[in-house]
Amino acid sequence: GAGVSQTPSNKVTEKGKYVELRCDPISGHTALYWYRQSLGQGPEFLIYFQGTGAADDSGLPNDRFFAVRPEGSVSTLKIQRTERGDSAVYLCASSGLQGRGYTFGSGTRLTVV
Amino acid sequence: AQSVTQLDSQVPVFEEAPVELRCNYSSSVSVYLFWYVQYPNQGLQLLLKYLSGSTLVKSINGFEAEFNKSQTSFHLRKPSVHISDTAEYFCAGYTGRRALTFGSGTRLQVQP
Repeated sequence: GAGVSQTPSNKVTEKGKYVELRCDPISGHTALYWYRQSLGQGPEFLIYFQGTGAADDSGLPNDRFFAVRPEGSVSTLKIQRTERGDSAVYLCASSGLQGRGYTFGSGTRLTVV
Repeated sequence: AQSVTQLDSQVPVFEEAPVELRCNYSSSVSVYLFWYVQYPNQGLQLLLKYLSGSTLVKSINGFEAEFNKSQTSFHLRKPSVHISDTAEYFCAGYTGRRALTFGSGTRLQVQP
């Protein structure tokens, strides 16, 4: 597609539930990134994929968070046993060339109640 | 310690006045530096970037930033701001991992 697409745009879930957030990157972009942005903060790195593999998952806060990219295109960020502190905007970005900057999606606003 | 530091959380300025948004980086950050802008209720957009070559880089809407190695800075400037420049601005760079590290952001509030 023309840009990075994230769905849903908004998600409200109850504490303890499981959620999946989807990212469809720009066609042909091999690098895909997930970030989390809390209110009043800059984006915080979560995980980076190069192709199908997670090249760096050091930003995932704990084992409740997991992400996949099975075919090297669409990625899904999965959060188990959600907590109120997980509420944030989850941003996805993709890049064609390492070090050249990213194109971001509009984000998914997750609210855990 | 934060690798990319934005010194001002908010910068109020009157329309048509000049503005400077400050960004400093630690020595661990590579020399690839970026400014992103986030308009209200919109996603992050790349404003400008420094990769190599000329230390002064410019955007299409009148912003410019200068890479200063000795000061470890990459400040963003505009000689005359418009109401439409009201947004959150984020400085970012590579910190050793192969993903950008962002500063905490500076909210530019342009007043009439």
